[in-house]
Amino acid sequence: AQSVAQPEDQVNVAEGNPLTVKCTYSVSGNPYLFWYVQYPNRGLQFLLKYITGDNLVKGSYGFEAEFNKSQTSFHLKKPSALVSDSALYFCAVRGGNFNKFYFGSGTKLNVKP
Amino acid sequence: DARVTQTPRHKVTEMGQEVTMRCQPILGHNTVFWYRQTMMQGLELLAYFRNRAPLDDSGMPKDRFSAEMPDATLATLKIQPSEPRDSAVYFCASGLATYEQYFGPGTRLTVT
Repeated sequence: AQSVAQPEDQVNVAEGNPLTVKCTYSVSGNPYLFWYVQYPNRGLQFLLKYITGDNLVKGSYGFEAEFNKSQTSFHLKKPSALVSDSALYFCAVRGGNFNKFYFGSGTKLNVKP
Repeated sequence: DARVTQTPRHKVTEMGQEVTMRCQPILGHNTVFWYRQTMMQGLELLAYFRNRAPLDDSGMPKDRFSAEMPDATLATLKIQPSEPRDSAVYFCASGLATYEQYFGPGTRLTVT
């Protein structure tokens, strides 16, 4: 079965410190990988994607993500967290037999001043 | 700044009533998705259209839910009859083929 796992329900980090939000997937084929952010009472907002090419992709608001094919992971990173980064982050993978989107369960990021 | 729009933003209704939610995808996008988000279940895909044709509605309770795209600028999600367990935030998203989706602001549905 196709699936996307975000193993941490919540990640806490101090402002200024680096952050990592983890994502692993089990989707057949060569999937496309995405990260979205959701602020309270808002829709999901696209952050970045990996389709092909360089394994390190850069996105909005200083976020980047590293694709690791052997570990089937696509972790989201940022060198220096801001309090305003506090939100819910979703990893998504598109692939499988029917090229469907699969979303992870979300990780709540808390950045403390 | 092109955006997906959804109406209504909030809806409170009584059990048994019909609910219709509308979505205007971004002009030129050929795929439309409907999702439901709850605290317990997270984000669930309900239906998926490409070029107005339904490709996947396996996540949708068929007995009470229906999704359509009467034209390229309008997608609708209907619940009839509504039940309290349908209370959730319903998101519409649009995109191009296999690339990223752009989400609307959602419709918060409360069924009493």
